Amino acid sequence: NAGVMQNPRHLVRRRGQEARLRCSPMKGHSHVYWYRQLPEEGLKFMVYLQKENIIDESGMPKERFSAEFPKEGPSILRIQQVVRGDSAAYFCASSPSSGIGETQYFGPGTRLLVL
Amino acid sequence: AQSVTQLDSQVPVFEEAPVELRCNYSSSVSVYLFWYVQYPNQGLQLLLKYLSGSTLVESINGFEAEFNKSQTSFHLRKPSVHISDTAEYFCAVSDDNTNAGKSTFGDGTTLTVKP
Repeated sequence: NAGVMQNPRHLVRRRGQEARLRCSPMKGHSHVYWYRQLPEEGLKFMVYLQKENIIDESGMPKERFSAEFPKEGPSILRIQQVVRGDSAAYFCASSPSSGIGETQYFGPGTRLLVL
Repeated sequence: AQSVTQLDSQVPVFEEAPVELRCNYSSSVSVYLFWYVQYPNQGLQLLLKYLSGSTLVESINGFEAEFNKSQTSFHLRKPSVHISDTAEYFCAVSDDNTNAGKSTFGDGTTLTVKP
């Protein structure tokens, strides 16, 4: 009964490189959420996806960031041409449905460091 | 738009003392409120949530929170803390106008329990 899995747990990139973060939701969960946590701050919503669909990407920066949740395989958060300000912890959460108050289950996060 | 304010960024207490972590929110519609706990280098875990009904909600490990609509608060309390309660605590809110799961988080309160 594995929980939400994220990999890698730690990722170091140089400015201008690409970062690719993966999230495997809990078994049976088809709703995935990505959050970003900057140092000393709370989580900020980025994007909400269901299988093959982006439902709400209102928290995603307009440039360089993209997300997908294919029919098969994990959800991917992709950051192109990373900058130092992208350094943060990125958390993925999943839920079995989108009902009001539905519990989200969080992964351990990917800590991205941009040099 | 909704917002969450956690009034204390750091709360140091001695073991077996009572503690209150404060959370205020703003929203123009009915809200759903959550407290999450984050241990070092881990993801968030749901501690308790208020959806409707009784305004006092409890967790399995002795925490409780009371929804106070008139004061727009959802403070978290525990009558006697343990060393193992040392963690970061996040208050979050979602409402009828947002996709369920797209929660707004406070900046967190670091609870440090000293022997």
